[in-house]
Amino acid sequence: GENVEQHPSTLSVQEGDSAVIKCTYSDSASNYFPWYKQELGKGPQLIIDIRSNVGEKKDQRIAVTLNKTAKHFSLHITETQPEDSAVYFCAASTGFQKLVFGTGTRLLVSP
Amino acid sequence: GAVVSQHPSRVICKSGTSVKIECRSLDFQATTMFWYRQFPKKSLMLMATSNEGSKATYEQGVEKDKFLINHASLTLSTLTVTSAHPEDSSFYICSARDPDRLSSGNTIYFGEGSWLTVV
Repeated sequence: GENVEQHPSTLSVQEGDSAVIKCTYSDSASNYFPWYKQELGKGPQLIIDIRSNVGEKKDQRIAVTLNKTAKHFSLHITETQPEDSAVYFCAASTGFQKLVFGTGTRLLVSP
Repeated sequence: GAVVSQHPSRVICKSGTSVKIECRSLDFQATTMFWYRQFPKKSLMLMATSNEGSKATYEQGVEKDKFLINHASLTLSTLTVTSAHPEDSSFYICSARDPDRLSSGNTIYFGEGSWLTVV
């Protein structure tokens, strides 16, 4: 089955810097890659997703890139703000199958 | 965007009793919902997939008689933790697949989660 690895486990940046979180997946059939932000004590919130027919997607300060050949995808957050501090999870799925999550990255943005 | 609501957000129950958690899709009909369990500082662990009108599919190692899942309508799935014990204390989260996005993939939205404490 699918296996998703996520790095780094923790990431500390200064406000205004960029943050990059990387994930790799094992199943070449996976075609949907969402990213979720989870704040303390709350459920995960979908922030951006990408499908295998595109290589990059942007939404304001957030972007996701996908390299199908290498089977990895990354989340890029520019001009980070303290409110970006949270745990971020990547995930992968095939068609309408269940999501397989990465282990999460705790992002801390210091003022 | 799509909204998934969970209730209760927090519940405390006595050991040996049962507790029910509800998951509702508020602005779409969800044929498929998922139930997760999350331990502190850990990733989400899928417990079961709930399909409207049929039996839930449980992940390996999840006791189906202990974690009863009912998906009786297109907007409601329930998780009942039966004969709860302190080790069942955890953060339980549901999610639902938005069928309007089926044509383009597998968009899944999560509820706010339910904290269960068994004393």
